[in-house]
This record gives sequence, C-alpha cells and structure tokens, in this order.
Amino acid sequence: AQRVTQPEKLLSVFKGAPVELKCNYSYSGSPELFWYVQYSRQRLQLLLRHISRESIKGFTADLNKGETSFHLKKPFAQEEDSAMYYCALRIAGGSYIPTFGRGTSLIVHP
Amino acid sequence: EAGVAQSPRYKIIEKRQSVAFWCNPISGHATLYWYQQILGQGPKLLIQFQNNGVVDDSQLPKDRFSAERLKGVDSTLKIQPAKLEDSAVYLCASSPHAGGDEKLFFGSGTQLSVL
Repeated sequence: AQRVTQPEKLLSVFKGAPVELKCNYSYSGSPELFWYVQYSRQRLQLLLRHISRESIKGFTADLNKGETSFHLKKPFAQEEDSAMYYCALRIAGGSYIPTFGRGTSLIVHP
Repeated sequence: EAGVAQSPRYKIIEKRQSVAFWCNPISGHATLYWYQQILGQGPKLLIQFQNNGVVDDSQLPKDRFSAERLKGVDSTLKIQPAKLEDSAVYLCASSPHAGGDEKLFFGSGTQLSVL
C-alpha cells in the first residue's frame, strides 16, 4: 500500500529564511503528488501538484523518483505562510485513493 | 462557486450514542470522500464514492460506521455506537472525477467529541 511520510511535525523559521518541508513516499509505480495547505480557521485546500510544475505563492516542489521525495520549498518565507502543510499521494491507475501524510506545521516568525 | 457544505460544525456526544454527519458536495462533482482526521494526524480516508457507488471503503470500521450517497449527490456518515477513539474531525471532500491528478475540494469539517 502507498504511504506518505512527513518527518517533521513542526518547522519554525524566521521571515526571509528559506523553507523546505520534507515529504517522502513509498510506491513503486507512477505517483501523482500534491501539497495541500490549511491556514488558521480555513479549510484544507490544494497548494500545488507535481503534474502542473507550477509555483504557487512562491512555493515549488519537485518530484524525485530516485529518492521518492516531493519536498516543498520556498526561498524566502513570509509570515502569511504559517499554516499546516500536508503532502498527498494518488496512484495513477486503480481507484486513485488519495493518501495524506500527517502534516507539518510551519511557523514563520517576524 | 459554492464550496463543499458540511453540517453540523461541532458535535458532542457520550460514548455508545449515535451520530450522523451530512455533506453536500460541489454541484456536478461525481466523486465524494469522507476522511477522519484525529488530532495530530493527517486525514485518513474512510470511504470514497463515485456517483452513488462505493469505490473504496477498506478503512471504514463497518461494525460501527456506515455511509451512503443514495442519489449520487449529498452523503451522510453515521457512527453507531460511538467510542471515545472516534473523537476527530470528519472531513468531506469532492472532486469532479476520480482521476489521479484531480484535486480535492474540502468542506470545513465536523468536529466530533465523544465523552
């Protein structure tokens, strides 16, 4: 079965510092990977997906099949980036069951 | 567009009581998901519907949990009887289809406390 690991429960940085939220997955096939974000008092929403190869709010994520990773990066963190971040995996083919990691809480200090 | 609607927002019950949650997905979305999110953990899929059929319910504790989506639109999730470990946020999500690159649209969730 597929699995998503987010090793850090909490990541604390200062404004302007680089950020990297780690995500590793276990699946031998071709995965579809996503990052979802939940800001305080808001609902969980999509931040970005690897298939789009897009940069959203300055965040990027690259799928590394060799390392089975999909780390989320931003060169200069902003206070408004403080939120819970969840990495998610869907397997191509089959029923596309979305599997989530446990989440990383990002706190950006002023 | 209107988002995924869930009710109630909060529910407090005693163990062994029953509880039901309701979800109305975004209009036209064929796929509906129920997730359970225990404090400090990521969302765990309980059941996935495609229209009114069940795609996956392998992680649904069927001795106490049930879910239905009779007309392929809104859905209810029921717990009977509830246990202390059922305390969690129950999230409903929908997507236009079940494709691998489809994003999920989430509701605000129902926070359940079992005393």
